Amino acid sequence: QTVVTQEPSFSVSPGGTVTLTCGLSSGSVSTNYYPSWYQQTPGQAPRTLIYNTNIRSSGVPDRFSGSILGNKAALTITGAQADDESDYYCVLYMRSGTSGVFGGGTKLTVL
Amino acid sequence: EVQLLESGGGLVQPGGSLRLSCAASGFTFSSYAMSWVRQAPGKGLEWVSTIVDSGGRTFYADSVKGRFTISRDNSKNTLYLQMNSLRAEDTALYYCAKRVIITEYFDCWGQGTLVTVSS
Repeated sequence: QTVVTQEPSFSVSPGGTVTLTCGLSSGSVSTNYYPSWYQQTPGQAPRTLIYNTNIRSSGVPDRFSGSILGNKAALTITGAQADDESDYYCVLYMRSGTSGVFGGGTKLTVL
Repeated sequence: EVQLLESGGGLVQPGGSLRLSCAASGFTFSSYAMSWVRQAPGKGLEWVSTIVDSGGRTFYADSVKGRFTISRDNSKNTLYLQMNSLRAEDTALYYCAKRVIITEYFDCWGQGTLVTVSS
């Protein structure tokens, strides 16, 4: 079974730029996987950030951007702020009859 | 404003049943697929089930197939998840989410309802 991989943790300095990635245990991620990204702060419901690789959800600031980098999907945060400290999950759509597989999430620390 | 309000969670014994509900408002419910996503305590998110807008097709994760049934009542703008033969590993916060099929993503999320399976 294919596993969706994410960095378990990452840290960034306030004002800095960080790129989180979303890969496959076997194979390369392409736009055909419809990568999407979700932010979750402790005790809160997930919030949709990016869908269809690089489209920002309504209300999401433009310092969040999505892309394909090499063989992975990527979420880049430019000008990181303290309230960006959250867990970030990607989802890849694998096949018809499912609604995608979540990665294990990346815990982002801003310090 | 889109609102999704889950209810029906609680404590249930292994082997028991529970039905979750999700009341939707702020959008044309009958035009969208809907999903359930769960999160075990301290763990990541896991897709559970999706139902298309008409209710005519349903999809399940392998971990719940044959035990859980997703359904909807478009006249009541409500989504359901019937959970049978519950196991300890089903303990989780269950989120209702609006699903956009054409671009395969979860658009909006409820606040979740907690299901605890324990004797």
